[in-house]
Amino acid sequence: AIQLTQSPSSLSASVGDRVTLTCRASQDISSALAWYQQKPGKAPKLLIYDASYLESGVPSRFSGSGSGTDFTLTISSLQPEDFATYYCQQFNSYLLTFGPGTKVDIK
Amino acid sequence: QVQLQESGPGLVKPSETLSLTCTVSGGSITNSYWSWIRQPPGKGLEWIGYIYSSGSTNYNPSLKSRVTISVDTSTNQFSLQLSSVTVADTAIYFCARAYATTMVTLDFWGQGTAVAVSS
Repeated sequence: AIQLTQSPSSLSASVGDRVTLTCRASQDISSALAWYQQKPGKAPKLLIYDASYLESGVPSRFSGSGSGTDFTLTISSLQPEDFATYYCQQFNSYLLTFGPGTKVDIK
Repeated sequence: QVQLQESGPGLVKPSETLSLTCTVSGGSITNSYWSWIRQPPGKGLEWIGYIYSSGSTNYNPSLKSRVTISVDTSTNQFSLQLSSVTVADTAIYFCARAYATTMVTLDFWGQGTAVAVSS
């Protein structure tokens, strides 16, 4: 089964910072990667699909890139509402896997 | 706008079967995929499985022997059964629409329901 790793596991940042999160797959998944944002006590929210496509209604400060095994989620200017945990998710051979998450908190 | 709502017992005894239902509103359950995901307290997300409205399923290999997902198009609901539960199955259980393009992503989610396994 394909495994996903995310780095860092947590980071502290300030409002206005540019933040880059990384997700690595254990084998080539082409562009079959999505990113989610989860706030405490809430369901995850889809941000990015197919590695780089912005879900409708998601602010343009979020962007995704990568293909194969290495992917990034970038927040161009961190806003107060962006402090949350971010998960990547892959789809391969009809199965889904989530990464362990990156928690972004306030410096 | 599609909305999902989980329902079911909040407490299940060890060795028994966990049963949850997800009710879909704001759209038809037909011609779509639907999924269950869980999140143990303080931990990450674990995909359980998904079902197409026709009834075809795919499950997480680590849970496959204990999981059954079914769909009832007449009531716009789909369900999860997890057998032989242990304390390790204590989690928030989410249902979601699994939107299929070139990949499957989870674009609409229920709020989640907490299930504790305890005697």
